[in-house]
Amino acid sequence: DSGVTQTPKHLITATGQRVTLRCSPRSGDLSVYWYQQSLDQGLQFLIQYYNGEERAKGNILERFSAQQFPDLHSELNLSSLELGDSALYFCASSLMWAGKETQYFGPGTRLLVL
Amino acid sequence: AQTVTQSQPEMSVQEAETVTLSCTYDTSENNYYLFWYKQPPSRQMILVIRQEAYKQQNATENRFSVNFQKAAKSFSLKISDSQLGDTAMYFCAFMKLGNNNDMRFGAGTRLTVKP
Repeated sequence: DSGVTQTPKHLITATGQRVTLRCSPRSGDLSVYWYQQSLDQGLQFLIQYYNGEERAKGNILERFSAQQFPDLHSELNLSSLELGDSALYFCASSLMWAGKETQYFGPGTRLLVL
Repeated sequence: AQTVTQSQPEMSVQEAETVTLSCTYDTSENNYYLFWYKQPPSRQMILVIRQEAYKQQNATENRFSVNFQKAAKSFSLKISDSQLGDTAMYFCAFMKLGNNNDMRFGAGTRLTVKP
């Protein structure tokens, strides 16, 4: 158990819909990272927040957005969902943001878009 | 842009033997980190080992060790005394130091440990 929690574990929705994925980092960690793992794209970094502020952006679509709240939990919002958005979405957390710290991954949220 | 290549989609090894997984990367950065992550059937991502590019000494974690060749941009993982629980997907990953902590992953190597 990494100490990172993600909810829900599974999500099934239809194309065009909007969903919100939630992540709670390990106690004391200030950074949250979001990743997408799909069959065709592999593992991709989406976005990073540090202490409430966006720190880095990867291959995140404009239909996707994220935020980190004052209590440090983070939410990833996916809108206008397409079949290709079906994937496993991981959240990871680390103490700081500079890459020196180990990232601890949550169990992931499996999203299926029908 | 950084790219990470794992040229072995699948590998197998007998229990108690040693196996080496390959990883190469392409970057113009000088300061970065390299990681090996394990993803068992449960899909949980687990950090196996990490290497700071500025360190010449190869990282070691119990049965896991790396062969880091900075000039060749190579970062292989050696698993000694393989155990059935080592069966998993293994991902090599690169992260540059600095403001943009964009982590790049390889496509993965599926390792099967046979009894």
